[in-house]
Amino acid sequence: GENVEQHPSTLSVQEGDSAVIKCTYSDSASNYFPWYKQELGKGPQLIIDIRSNVGEKKDQRIAVTLNKTAKHFSLHITETQPEDSAVYFCAAISSGGGADGLTFGKGTHLIIQP
Amino acid sequence: GAVVSQHPSWVICKSGTSVKIECRSLDFQATTMFWYRQFPKQSLMLMATSNEGSKATYEQGVEKDKFLINHASLTLSTLTVTSAHPEDSSFYICSASHRVGNIQYFGAGTRLSVL
Repeated sequence: GENVEQHPSTLSVQEGDSAVIKCTYSDSASNYFPWYKQELGKGPQLIIDIRSNVGEKKDQRIAVTLNKTAKHFSLHITETQPEDSAVYFCAAISSGGGADGLTFGKGTHLIIQP
Repeated sequence: GAVVSQHPSWVICKSGTSVKIECRSLDFQATTMFWYRQFPKQSLMLMATSNEGSKATYEQGVEKDKFLINHASLTLSTLTVTSAHPEDSSFYICSASHRVGNIQYFGAGTRLSVL
């Protein structure tokens, strides 16, 4: 089955700086890669996703890049703000996404220092 | 955006009792719903995949007789933890797959504490 590795486990950045979280996956058939933000005691919230036919996607301060050859994808957050502090999970799935459950990375605790 | 409602948000029960958790897709129909479990400071682990009108598919190591899943309609799936024990205490989260893009949207989770 799929295996997703995520780094770093904890990331502390100064407010206004950029944050980058990286993930690798093992199943070359995986074709959908969402990123979720989870605040304490809450469910994960989808913040951005990318499919295997695209190399990069951007939504305001958030961007995701995908390298299919190397089987890794990254989340980039620019101009970080205190409300960006949370745990971020990457995930991968090797089907159309509707019929199979997601395989999650272990999560990155992002801390934005004021 | 797509909204998934999960109830209750928090439940405390005695050991040996059963607890039912509901997951509803409020503004879309979901042919597939998923149940995940998350222990403190850990990632989400898929427990089972639930399809409307059919039996759930359980991941390896998840006891189907202990975690009963019913997906009675396109907007409702339930998870019943039967004969709960303290080791079942965890954060249970459901997700529903939206037909457009097959994107999974998550509920707010249910914190289960078994005494």
